[in-house]
Amino acid sequence: GAVVSQHPSWVICKSGTSVKIECRSLDFQATTMFWYRQFPKQSLMLMATSNEGSKATYEQGVEKDKFLINHASLTLSTLTVTSAHPEDSSFYICSARPQGYTFGSGTRLTVV
Amino acid sequence: DQQVKQNSPSLSVQEGRISILNCDYTNSMFDYFLWYKKYPAEGPTFLISISSIKDKNEDGRFTVFLNKSAKHLSLHIVPSQPGDSAVYFCAATIDSGGSNYKLTFGKGTLLTVNP
Repeated sequence: GAVVSQHPSWVICKSGTSVKIECRSLDFQATTMFWYRQFPKQSLMLMATSNEGSKATYEQGVEKDKFLINHASLTLSTLTVTSAHPEDSSFYICSARPQGYTFGSGTRLTVV
Repeated sequence: DQQVKQNSPSLSVQEGRISILNCDYTNSMFDYFLWYKKYPAEGPTFLISISSIKDKNEDGRFTVFLNKSAKHLSLHIVPSQPGDSAVYFCAATIDSGGSNYKLTFGKGTLLTVNP
């Protein structure tokens, strides 16, 4: 079946630094990847839609300059949290099509 | 505006009995619905889905029912097992033509299956 790999699974960073999260489709090509965020005991909220070779589409309220998304190839999308602050601490998850809606294992980001 | 609603934050059932998880939606454009199982600090695991052209889909112990007129779907797990204990998310999307449309999630229901 379709596998989406996400790395790292957890990361702790200092406030003001940047963190990059990778999302890879291992056995299929993903023209579109989605980035979600989940706060504790909350639903998964879509942050942005990442399209290979073009700019990402951000959901309302998501700062595109803070959450940089790059989808340079059909198997890799990256999310960079720039100048991270403690309120950015969350669980970030990617998903990819066209193999159904398969999710990565998620990245727990803690900003201290 | 919450387009997908799971009104029960938690559900507790006995092992071997049926678990019924409910989900309501408001957007009539949604035509594809999915259920995911999720553990803390892990990504959601796909369980079962249903297209709006059907009213029932079954896969092993899992059955999803869709009532389009009521904009309601439910997930039945029979028989429930302790390993089913997790948070279950209902999700909906517009899948017509295979478009890459986003998933909209409910807030989840924590299912606890007691031995």
